[in-house]
Amino acid sequence: EAGVAQSPRYKIIEKRQSVAFWCNPISGHATLYWYQQILGQGPKLLIQFQNNGVVDDSQLPKDRFSAERLKGVDSTLKIQPAKLEDSAVYLCASSLYPGFSGTGGTGELFFGEGSRLTVL
Amino acid sequence: AQSVTQLDSQVPVFEEAPVELRCNYSSSVSVYLFWYVQYPNQGLQLLLKYLSGSTLVKGINGFEAEFNKSQTSFHLRKPSVHISDTAEYFCAVSDQRGYQKVTFGIGTKLQVIP
Repeated sequence: EAGVAQSPRYKIIEKRQSVAFWCNPISGHATLYWYQQILGQGPKLLIQFQNNGVVDDSQLPKDRFSAERLKGVDSTLKIQPAKLEDSAVYLCASSLYPGFSGTGGTGELFFGEGSRLTVL
Repeated sequence: AQSVTQLDSQVPVFEEAPVELRCNYSSSVSVYLFWYVQYPNQGLQLLLKYLSGSTLVKGINGFEAEFNKSQTSFHLRKPSVHISDTAEYFCAVSDQRGYQKVTFGIGTKLQVIP
């Protein structure tokens, strides 16, 4: 079974530039998460999708961050314009939703390898 | 609202010694509990999980954790660590209902000393 795919793995940009990250979850996983992990901290949820609908984006800085999940499969996270404090690893994860295909979701997340962003 | 507290940011331990990484949580609803491990430059991977039933759960690489509802704790243990266990460990909680928001602690860096 293929895991969660993310790209690019590394990105270096100047402040005020824009950047986009892509994520393809595990096939059949209805829930997709974007987390921000700043060095020395735990992952912080930015946005959670259920199929192609947003169920939690309370910690997404909406003035500069946007995310979409068209057709309920892969997702893109965009930052425009970037700030120095956006330097972090952006982790995408997916999970089963309760009742999907007869199996209960448990909140267990499957992570991609992450996209490391450096803003200069 | 839910929160996770990992009491130790770094834990140095000698090889073959036992280790315990502490985790306490707070939630107004029933939760599932997880420990994830992150090796350098990699994503997180599941170490073990508590869903229900026996409060002692066993995971990969010889790790185990015990759920203590009265203490709201879910401490991770290994009786004898190896150099390859050097990594960062994250405790996480997930609501049992609704959209199952998953909240992580700040992580504990385990450094195994030869």
